[in-house]
Parts: sequence; C-alpha cells; structure tokens
Amino acid sequence: QSALTQFPSASGSPGQSVTISCSGTSSDVGGYKYVSWYQQHPGKAPKLMIYEVNKRPSGVPDRFSGSKSGNTASLTVSGLQAEDEADYYCSSYGGFNNVLFGGGTKLTVL
Amino acid sequence: QVQLVESGGGVVQAGRSLRLSCAASGFTFSISPMHWVRQAPGKGLEWVAVISDDGGSKYYADSVRGRFTISRDNSKNTLYLQMNTLRPEDTATYYCAKESSGWYYGWSDPWGQGTLVAVSS
Repeated sequence: QSALTQFPSASGSPGQSVTISCSGTSSDVGGYKYVSWYQQHPGKAPKLMIYEVNKRPSGVPDRFSGSKSGNTASLTVSGLQAEDEADYYCSSYGGFNNVLFGGGTKLTVL
Repeated sequence: QVQLVESGGGVVQAGRSLRLSCAASGFTFSISPMHWVRQAPGKGLEWVAVISDDGGSKYYADSVRGRFTISRDNSKNTLYLQMNTLRPEDTATYYCAKESSGWYYGWSDPWGQGTLVAVSS
C-alpha cells in the first residue's frame, strides 16, 4: 500500500495558526478512527501529539488539534511557537494488518 | 516512567544478519503489543512489524516479510527484531514503540531513541 500524502512543507509566523493535511483513501484514513499524528525534532524520536483523529495525550498543549473529513485528516497548530518547528507525520491503520505513515511535513516557524 | 531503549545497531554487509533489542521498563510489558518502525536517513517513517502481547501474532510490512522476524521475551521485558538477508535499502534508524490503543494498530506511545543500522553493499 502507498504511504499517506502530506505536503512536504508548511510555515507560519509566531502566534499564527497552521494546518497540515494528510490524504489517504477510504481503505485507510477514511475508513478508520485510528488516525494519529507524531512530532519529530531533528535527531529525536517521534512523539505522539494526536490519536484517534482528535484526542490529545496528557501533556500535549491544547494548541494542537486534529480532525478528519472524508479521506483527509488534518493537524492544526494554533498560536505557533518557536518550539513547534519540527517534522510532523500522520499515521493510519491501512487495513490488512498494516500501518501507513505520511511522508512528513516540515513545519517552519518564520 | 515508561522507557524503551534499543540496541544492537551497527554496520553490516549486505546479505548478513543483525538482531536488534528493545529493553522496556516502567509499564507492564507483557500486556502491550509492540512495534518496530524505521526511518531511512533524511526520509520519513516506515512501519516494519507488530507483535501481540503474548507473541502469538506477528504482522509485517511487505518490504521485510520473509526476511525479518519480530519476537519478544516477556520474562526479560525485551522486544527483538531479527533481520536476515539485509539489503542496502534497509539502512535506517530503527525505533521500537509501545502500542497504546489496546489493539494492534491504534497509536504508538512512547518510542525509543532508536538504533542505527547501516548496510553496506
């Protein structure tokens, strides 16, 4: 199965909001509630930011929110801060005992 | 706190084998499905394999099926990845991650720091 589709880059100024999208199909993103988002800073391990489309683990700021419409999931970062600059990956159950990741979006805080 | 520590990475020639380990602590390892996920240098994340809590069910990505074997020793709180017939395209940082949904394919949290495998041709 193909990876989920993410735009390679996104950017915003401090205080602004940015939305990162993740496009799949009805067999993955559109078909299941198991969509999650991970933040990865350079040289670090991925960190869970959103699970089950729109739920935040404890400790993740409420500036991070998730949603889904049809076959596309989205991660919105509100009130951008310098420390939000990182790579963001979406993930979904892909059916047939398989997990899919997006190609990643590099978020730059201008 | 929950901690995952990978080890066993290194440089290996194509066609050879390597075994990775992931030592778990801070949670009940024996009731948690576990994943391996890899990341080639400068590239995105790629799911590799998942194993059930008791080790009885294992599933693999097409790219590694038949060459890699995921296993676990719940008495030692350790996850393994046996990698055989390695190829240059297997070069990546390999992360172990705890499945936290109660299923196999929900979400992974936390992740280990990763161990680098470099396969030379």
